[in-house]
Amino acid sequence: GAVVSQHPSRVICKSGTSVKIECRSLDFQATTMFWYRQFPKKSLMLMATSNEGSKATYEQGVEKDKFLINHASLTLSTLTVTSAHPEDSSFYICSAPQGGQGNSPLHFGNGTRLTVT
Amino acid sequence: QKEVEQNSGPLSVPEGAIASLNCTYSDRGSQSFFWYRQYSGKSPELIMSIYSNGDKEDGRFTAQLNKASQYVSLLIRDSQPSDSATYLCAVNNQAGTALIFGKGTTLSVSS
Repeated sequence: GAVVSQHPSRVICKSGTSVKIECRSLDFQATTMFWYRQFPKKSLMLMATSNEGSKATYEQGVEKDKFLINHASLTLSTLTVTSAHPEDSSFYICSAPQGGQGNSPLHFGNGTRLTVT
Repeated sequence: QKEVEQNSGPLSVPEGAIASLNCTYSDRGSQSFFWYRQYSGKSPELIMSIYSNGDKEDGRFTAQLNKASQYVSLLIRDSQPSDSATYLCAVNNQAGTALIFGKGTTLSVSS
């Protein structure tokens, strides 16, 4: 069964609104979670590393004020896309290291397909 | 910028053949290497992990790692149409804090 649960799986929103995506680790604690974005026919691009109890680490070129990450507990990280625009339409996928260890294989959520109209 | 390079394909093989997928990486400090399979519109799923030089076999899949050449490959024996997907090579960064993904190789297995 799934070890990382991501919700919602699909969302359509209007330009200018905000969207929150939740990522939960099931049956294990994850002090670190990763948020990726994937455009059609492109590779997964790491957006940020979510750290429980501290600020997220953002990759170069990712606006931290636009993509708000909150890792409030050992099993939950959220990504909020603020003031979404059509160019933010993409497939967002969260992941957590197997067993919570940073150097382990990643378990991926099922992804969230965001469409901004 | 640490990179992971893959041939985007498509790689086309007939059913029953061996499919060979290749990947090179730039960070000599990388210690963990993974192959993921991704079907269209779905999130990646782990196929193989390899940490030491040499071969690692799991069913029809064999991963090969050569750290000196900074090269990792995946062989799929007796390819099936259900193997048709995009295969992503992933390498951890030297700090071990994140996985860097290649662009993926699209495999098409014809029946």
